[in-house]
Amino acid sequence: EIVLTQSPGTLSLSPGERATLSCRASQSISSSYLNWYQQKPGQAPRLLIYGASNRATDIPDRFSGSGSGTDFTLTISRLEPEDFVLYYCQQCGTSPPMYTFGQGTKLEIK
Amino acid sequence: EVQLVQSGAEVKQPGESLKISCKGSEYSFTSYWINWVRQTPGKGLEWIGRIDPSDSHTDYSTSFQGHVSITGDKSINTAYLQWSRLKASDTAMYYCARQSPFELDFGLWGQGTLVTVSS
Repeated sequence: EIVLTQSPGTLSLSPGERATLSCRASQSISSSYLNWYQQKPGQAPRLLIYGASNRATDIPDRFSGSGSGTDFTLTISRLEPEDFVLYYCQQCGTSPPMYTFGQGTKLEIK
Repeated sequence: EVQLVQSGAEVKQPGESLKISCKGSEYSFTSYWINWVRQTPGKGLEWIGRIDPSDSHTDYSTSFQGHVSITGDKSINTAYLQWSRLKASDTAMYYCARQSPFELDFGLWGQGTLVTVSS
C-alpha cells in the first residue's frame, strides 16, 4: 500500500505570503493519480487539484499543483484569509481500487 | 443544484446495527460511482469503498471489508453504508463522495454524517 506523507504538519504564514505544501509518496505514482483537497472547519473536503496540476472547477488561480514520481507540491501564491484551513493529498490506485490520503497539513495564520 | 445529501447524525450503542444514506440530486445518479470515506481525529481520511449505482458492483478497502456493507437503490438515487454490529471504534464522521468512472478524483462530497457509538 502506498503511504502519503505530508509536510509540514502545520505551516504558519501571513496573508499575502506564498505557501508551499509537500506530499511525498512511499513509491512512485503517476501524476494522473494525485489529487489535493481543501477542508474548512465543519465542512466536507473539496477538490482543489486533480491529476497533480489541474485546477478543479471554480478554484482560484492562486492555487497550483506540481510534481511527479514521489514528490508533489501544492502552492498557494498569495494567501487569502479563507485559505488558512486543512489540506490533504490523495492518491488513487486502480488495480485493485484503493484511495489513500495524506495525514494533512494545517495552514495557520502567523 | 447538483448535490449529495446525507442522512442525519446517529447515536448508537455497541452491537447495534445502522444504515446511513447518501442521496444524489440534479444529475444522472447511475453515471457516477459513490465512494464512502471515514474521518477520525486519529487516522484522518480513510477510503472505505465504493458502489457503481448502475449495477451495484462494489469495491472495498481491505481495512473495512467484512465490517461494513455498501448498497444502493438507483430508483431513489440513494447509496447506503451499513453496519450489522457497531463498535465504539466506528465513531467517526462519514462522507459520501461522487466519482466519474473516467476520472480519479472525488469531485463532489456530501455534507457528512456523524456516527457516535457509545454505551
